[in-house]
Amino acid sequence: SQQGEEDPQALSIQEGENATMNCSYKTSINNLQWYRQNSGRGLVHLILIRSNEREKHSGRLRVTLDTSKKSSSLLITASRAADTASYFCATVIMDTGRRALTFGSGTRLQVQP
Amino acid sequence: DAGVTQSPTHLIKTRGQHVTLRCSPISGHKSVSWYQQVLGQGPQFIFQYYEKEERGRGNFPDRFSARQFPNYSSELNVNALLLGDSALYLCASSLRDTNTEAFFGQGTRLTVV
Repeated sequence: SQQGEEDPQALSIQEGENATMNCSYKTSINNLQWYRQNSGRGLVHLILIRSNEREKHSGRLRVTLDTSKKSSSLLITASRAADTASYFCATVIMDTGRRALTFGSGTRLQVQP
Repeated sequence: DAGVTQSPTHLIKTRGQHVTLRCSPISGHKSVSWYQQVLGQGPQFIFQYYEKEERGRGNFPDRFSARQFPNYSSELNVNALLLGDSALYLCASSLRDTNTEAFFGQGTRLTVV
């Protein structure tokens, strides 16, 4: 079963615009990570935010985490055509001995040049 | 430095057959995880190995098995293939456990006919 669910499922914007995608999860987490996947290839790690952090930046990426609402958002500023990809949030769950990433279903981002 | 390498990249098998997928982690990484990604969905956790021991298993039937070798490379085996096993199989390595970022290979695209 999916721990996280991304919203929206698909997003189409123009180059230069900002893209915001959201992730909700169900159980307490240790950390939350965002990954990018191009055309069904391998996933690339973008950013990790720990449960005691509220906001994190990396270049054009900004991630927020609200543990009270069990949600996170990924903001890509000044988007480029090369940002076209699927974006997934993934959580590491606290209450199991299993240390695995649990992924959502992803947001497919299309950046029009 | 070489990233995570997986072989083969593509594979076509017939129902009922057996398949072995291989993964070499990044040098120095001791944790290897396997994920199955069906088209249009997020990756689903199958197995995690750390220091050659199984640390976690996802909700997959016993037809799925894996192991990790002394050099930390890993194999995923699937017996009695079903059409529903058609998917992208991803291997990820990390230094320790999944509190650190995971580095994914490009995957093996398995098609069962």
